[in-house]
Amino acid sequence: QKEVEQDPGPLSVPEGAIVSLNCTYSNSAFQYFMWYRQYSRKGPELLMYTYSSGNKEDGRFTAQVDKSSKYISLFIRDSQPSDSATYLCAAVTGGGNKLTFGTGTQLKVEL
Amino acid sequence: GAGVSQTPSNKVTEKGKYVELRCDPISGHTALYWYRQSLGQGPEFLIYFQGTGAADDSGLPNDRFFAVRPEGSVSTLKIQRTERGDSAVYLCASSLRGQGVGTDTQYFGPGTRLTVL
Repeated sequence: QKEVEQDPGPLSVPEGAIVSLNCTYSNSAFQYFMWYRQYSRKGPELLMYTYSSGNKEDGRFTAQVDKSSKYISLFIRDSQPSDSATYLCAAVTGGGNKLTFGTGTQLKVEL
Repeated sequence: GAGVSQTPSNKVTEKGKYVELRCDPISGHTALYWYRQSLGQGPEFLIYFQGTGAADDSGLPNDRFFAVRPEGSVSTLKIQRTERGDSAVYLCASSLRGQGVGTDTQYFGPGTRLTVL
Protein backbone atom coordinates (compact mmCIF):
# COMPACT_ATOMS: atom_id res chain seq x y z
CA GLN A 1 0.00 0.00 0.00
CA LYS A 2 1.32 3.43 -0.94
CA GLU A 3 1.69 6.00 1.81
CA VAL A 4 -0.25 8.57 -0.22
CA GLU A 5 -3.20 7.42 -2.33
CA GLN A 6 -4.83 9.51 -5.03
CA ASP A 7 -7.46 8.79 -7.65
CA PRO A 8 -5.71 9.16 -11.02
CA GLY A 9 -8.84 10.31 -12.86
CA PRO A 10 -9.12 11.61 -15.51
CA LEU A 11 -11.57 14.20 -14.27
CA SER A 12 -13.39 16.36 -16.80
CA VAL A 13 -15.43 19.41 -15.75
CA PRO A 14 -17.02 22.38 -17.54
CA GLU A 15 -15.48 25.82 -17.24
CA GLY A 16 -16.62 27.60 -14.08
CA ALA A 17 -17.23 24.41 -12.11
CA ILE A 18 -15.94 23.79 -8.61
CA VAL A 19 -13.35 21.03 -8.64
CA SER A 20 -12.62 18.78 -5.68
CA LEU A 21 -9.42 16.75 -5.64
CA ASN A 22 -8.64 14.36 -2.83
CA CYS A 23 -5.93 12.18 -1.33
CA THR A 24 -5.61 9.90 1.65
CA TYR A 25 -2.44 9.01 3.50
CA SER A 26 -1.36 6.37 5.96
CA ASN A 27 1.78 7.73 7.65
CA SER A 28 0.83 9.48 10.90
CA ALA A 29 4.22 11.21 10.96
CA PHE A 30 3.33 13.39 7.97
CA GLN A 31 2.95 17.00 9.10
CA TYR A 32 3.19 19.09 5.91
CA PHE A 33 0.87 18.56 3.00
CA MET A 34 1.32 20.06 -0.43
CA TRP A 35 -0.46 20.35 -3.74
CA TYR A 36 1.61 20.55 -6.90
CA ARG A 37 0.37 21.24 -10.43
CA GLN A 38 2.13 19.58 -13.35
CA TYR A 39 1.53 20.55 -16.96
CA SER A 40 2.38 18.06 -19.66
CA ARG A 41 6.13 17.61 -20.10
CA LYS A 42 6.89 20.08 -17.31
CA GLY A 43 8.11 19.72 -13.74
CA PRO A 44 5.72 19.95 -10.79
CA GLU A 45 4.98 23.47 -9.52
CA LEU A 46 3.99 24.10 -5.91
CA LEU A 47 0.48 25.53 -5.56
CA MET A 48 0.20 25.61 -1.79
CA TYR A 49 1.06 23.80 1.38
CA THR A 50 -0.57 23.40 4.77
CA TYR A 51 0.85 22.44 8.12
CA SER A 52 -1.08 19.87 10.16
CA SER A 53 -4.88 20.13 10.07
CA GLY A 54 -6.84 23.10 8.80
CA ASN A 55 -7.70 25.15 5.76
CA LYS A 56 -5.64 27.46 3.60
CA GLU A 57 -6.96 29.67 0.85
CA ASP A 58 -5.09 31.30 -2.01
CA GLY A 59 -7.22 32.98 -4.64
CA ARG A 60 -9.40 30.35 -6.32
CA PHE A 61 -7.63 27.51 -4.51
CA THR A 62 -8.41 26.10 -1.06
CA ALA A 63 -6.46 23.30 0.59
CA GLN A 64 -7.88 21.29 3.48
CA VAL A 65 -6.24 18.74 5.73
CA ASP A 66 -8.05 16.52 8.22
CA LYS A 67 -5.42 14.62 10.18
CA SER A 68 -8.01 12.66 12.16
CA SER A 69 -9.19 10.96 8.97
CA LYS A 70 -5.88 11.32 7.09
CA TYR A 71 -7.63 13.12 4.26
CA ILE A 72 -6.26 15.91 2.03
CA SER A 73 -8.37 18.02 -0.33
CA LEU A 74 -7.87 20.74 -2.90
CA PHE A 75 -10.79 22.81 -4.12
CA ILE A 76 -10.63 24.94 -7.24
CA ARG A 77 -13.36 27.54 -7.66
CA ASP A 78 -14.41 29.00 -11.02
CA SER A 79 -12.23 26.52 -12.87
CA GLN A 80 -10.59 27.69 -16.09
CA PRO A 81 -9.25 25.79 -19.11
CA SER A 82 -5.77 26.89 -17.99
CA ASP A 83 -6.28 24.78 -14.86
CA SER A 84 -6.14 21.66 -17.04
CA ALA A 85 -3.15 19.75 -15.69
CA THR A 86 -2.21 16.90 -13.38
CA TYR A 87 -2.56 17.72 -9.70
CA LEU A 88 -0.25 15.93 -7.30
CA CYS A 89 -0.71 15.78 -3.57
CA ALA A 90 2.39 15.27 -1.46
CA ALA A 91 3.30 14.91 2.19
CA VAL A 92 6.42 15.10 4.31
CA THR A 93 7.31 14.55 7.94
CA GLY A 94 8.16 17.50 10.15
CA GLY A 95 11.66 18.71 9.33
CA GLY A 96 11.93 16.20 6.53
CA ASN A 97 12.86 16.81 2.93
CA LYS A 98 11.70 13.64 1.23
CA LEU A 99 8.38 14.39 -0.44
CA THR A 100 6.00 11.45 -0.81
CA PHE A 101 3.65 12.00 -3.73
CA GLY A 102 0.33 10.56 -4.76
CA THR A 103 -0.10 9.28 -8.31
CA GLY A 104 -1.65 12.55 -9.48
CA THR A 105 -5.14 13.34 -10.78
CA GLN A 106 -5.45 14.46 -14.39
CA LEU A 107 -7.92 17.35 -14.66
CA LYS A 108 -9.43 18.73 -17.85
CA VAL A 109 -11.53 21.88 -17.77
CA GLU A 110 -13.58 22.17 -20.93
CA LEU A 111 -15.00 25.30 -22.56
CA GLY B 1 15.56 34.50 -12.43
CA ALA B 2 16.55 31.21 -14.01
CA GLY B 3 14.89 28.09 -12.68
CA VAL B 4 16.22 24.57 -12.32
CA SER B 5 17.55 23.28 -15.62
CA GLN B 6 18.17 19.70 -16.65
CA THR B 7 20.05 18.25 -19.57
CA PRO B 8 19.46 16.45 -21.77
CA SER B 9 15.69 16.86 -22.03
CA ASN B 10 15.46 13.46 -23.69
CA LYS B 11 17.83 10.52 -23.63
CA VAL B 12 17.41 7.26 -25.54
CA THR B 13 19.84 4.50 -24.75
CA GLU B 14 20.19 0.77 -25.14
CA LYS B 15 19.89 -1.78 -22.36
CA GLY B 16 23.20 -2.22 -20.60
CA LYS B 17 24.59 1.23 -21.43
CA TYR B 18 25.73 3.91 -18.98
CA VAL B 19 23.99 7.30 -18.80
CA GLU B 20 24.55 10.59 -17.03
CA LEU B 21 21.83 13.11 -16.32
CA ARG B 22 22.70 16.65 -15.31
CA CYS B 23 20.93 19.14 -13.05
CA ASP B 24 21.69 22.84 -12.62
CA PRO B 25 19.90 24.12 -9.52
CA ILE B 26 18.73 27.64 -8.86
CA SER B 27 21.72 29.80 -8.00
CA GLY B 28 22.31 29.95 -4.25
CA HIS B 29 20.20 26.92 -3.40
CA THR B 30 22.10 24.63 -1.05
CA ALA B 31 19.74 21.66 -1.22
CA LEU B 32 19.24 19.50 -4.30
CA TYR B 33 16.92 16.55 -4.81
CA TRP B 34 16.47 13.84 -7.42
CA TYR B 35 13.11 12.16 -8.03
CA ARG B 36 11.96 9.61 -10.61
CA GLN B 37 8.52 9.74 -12.20
CA SER B 38 7.30 6.66 -14.04
CA LEU B 39 4.41 6.91 -16.49
CA GLY B 40 1.13 7.55 -14.72
CA GLN B 41 2.80 7.83 -11.32
CA GLY B 42 3.83 10.59 -8.99
CA PRO B 43 7.50 11.44 -8.46
CA GLU B 44 9.43 9.10 -6.18
CA PHE B 45 12.32 10.35 -4.07
CA LEU B 46 15.79 9.11 -4.96
CA ILE B 47 18.42 11.21 -3.17
CA TYR B 48 18.92 14.54 -1.40
CA PHE B 49 22.10 16.64 -1.22
CA GLN B 50 22.89 19.32 1.32
CA GLY B 51 25.86 21.11 -0.17
CA THR B 52 28.28 18.55 -1.57
CA GLY B 53 27.20 15.63 0.56
CA ALA B 54 24.37 13.16 0.08
CA ALA B 55 22.24 13.65 3.19
CA ASP B 56 19.72 10.95 2.29
CA ASP B 57 20.14 8.38 -0.50
CA SER B 58 17.51 5.99 0.78
CA GLY B 59 15.48 6.19 -2.42
CA LEU B 60 18.17 4.94 -4.80
CA PRO B 61 16.78 1.61 -6.04
CA ASN B 62 20.09 -0.27 -6.25
CA ASP B 63 23.81 0.17 -6.66
CA ARG B 64 23.50 0.87 -10.38
CA PHE B 65 22.36 4.35 -9.43
CA PHE B 66 24.79 6.95 -8.14
CA ALA B 67 24.72 10.73 -7.86
CA VAL B 68 27.34 13.37 -7.18
CA ARG B 69 27.46 17.08 -6.47
CA PRO B 70 31.19 17.79 -6.20
CA GLU B 71 31.10 21.58 -5.88
CA GLY B 72 27.76 21.98 -4.19
CA SER B 73 26.00 23.27 -7.27
CA VAL B 74 25.56 21.11 -10.39
CA SER B 75 24.62 17.49 -9.79
CA THR B 76 24.92 14.43 -12.01
CA LEU B 77 22.81 11.30 -11.68
CA LYS B 78 24.63 8.29 -13.07
CA ILE B 79 23.00 5.01 -14.05
CA GLN B 80 25.11 1.99 -14.91
CA ARG B 81 24.00 -1.05 -16.90
CA THR B 82 20.64 0.50 -17.71
CA GLU B 83 17.55 -1.70 -17.75
CA ARG B 84 14.22 -1.19 -19.50
CA GLY B 85 12.62 -0.64 -16.11
CA ASP B 86 14.78 2.47 -15.64
CA SER B 87 12.74 4.25 -18.31
CA ALA B 88 11.09 7.25 -16.62
CA VAL B 89 11.31 10.99 -16.24
CA TYR B 90 14.09 11.95 -13.86
CA LEU B 91 13.25 15.17 -12.04
CA CYS B 92 15.64 17.41 -10.17
CA ALA B 93 14.56 19.98 -7.58
CA SER B 94 16.40 22.51 -5.47
CA SER B 95 15.56 24.50 -2.37
CA LEU B 96 17.22 27.38 -0.59
CA ARG B 97 18.19 25.76 2.69
CA GLY B 98 16.90 22.19 2.80
CA GLN B 99 15.65 22.81 6.33
CA GLY B 100 12.19 21.39 6.08
CA VAL B 101 9.64 21.82 3.40
CA GLY B 102 7.30 24.09 5.34
CA THR B 103 9.37 27.17 4.71
CA ASP B 104 11.68 25.77 2.07
CA THR B 105 9.91 25.16 -1.22
CA GLN B 106 11.35 22.60 -3.60
CA TYR B 107 11.46 24.00 -7.14
CA PHE B 108 11.44 21.37 -9.86
CA GLY B 109 13.14 21.31 -13.22
CA PRO B 110 11.42 20.04 -16.39
CA GLY B 111 13.02 16.61 -16.10
CA THR B 112 15.01 14.31 -18.35
CA ARG B 113 12.93 11.70 -20.15
CA LEU B 114 15.02 8.52 -20.22
CA THR B 115 14.07 5.69 -22.56
CA VAL B 116 15.94 2.41 -22.37
CA LEU B 117 15.41 0.23 -25.43
